[in-house]
Amino acid sequence: GAVVSQHPSWVICKSGTSVKIECRSLDFQATTMFWYRQFPKQSLMLMATSNEGSKATYEQGVEKDKFLINHASLTLSTLTVTSAHPEDSSFYICSARPDLYEQYFGPGTRLTVT
Amino acid sequence: AQSVTQPDIHITVSEGASLELRCNYSYGATPYLFWYVQSPGQGLQLLLKYFSGDTLVQGIKGFEAEFKRSQSSFNLRKPSVHWSDAAEYFCAVGAPDEGTDKLIFGTGTRLQVFP
Repeated sequence: GAVVSQHPSWVICKSGTSVKIECRSLDFQATTMFWYRQFPKQSLMLMATSNEGSKATYEQGVEKDKFLINHASLTLSTLTVTSAHPEDSSFYICSARPDLYEQYFGPGTRLTVT
Repeated sequence: AQSVTQPDIHITVSEGASLELRCNYSYGATPYLFWYVQSPGQGLQLLLKYFSGDTLVQGIKGFEAEFKRSQSSFNLRKPSVHWSDAAEYFCAVGAPDEGTDKLIFGTGTRLQVFP
């Protein structure tokens, strides 16, 4: 149980385009999902907290107009990187929370912007 | 705000040897503490967690961790390492008194295992 999927697992896009990443909780409902960014050989940096039916809460320094988060249902949250640039290339990981302090992580999405 | 430090960036051990990965935290009250493992190109898997109670916590894959309040530490241990344990290990801290369950992660320790 407690499986979280992400789609796509790897995406390459051209600079200036937008990319959408999906995060799904497959066997539980999650009112809260988290989005992280991880640079090579570095730790996870929390980008935002996604709450079903309400606006996401962004961490300081994260551009909310660039990283659009939509948590439309109890099993799906999406992260859209708008007008992507090479510096947005990174590993994006989501987690879903069935209960307080019970985060289950997706396998991650590697974004490469050319 | 809470923070967490993993002093060792990279550790190498021989298969069968014991392992200890260090984690120190900073938080005014008793934090919630976690250890996660990440294989290359993968997400994170929870090894164990500490909320309260017994300070020695048992996890999956033969791992254990001990919460030491006096040292602000939560070190991860395994008595005998297997080659499949080679991965990146992250310690994370949560702040239950701050009304949020977001986690702050340490910088990670990369474990290499030699046969």
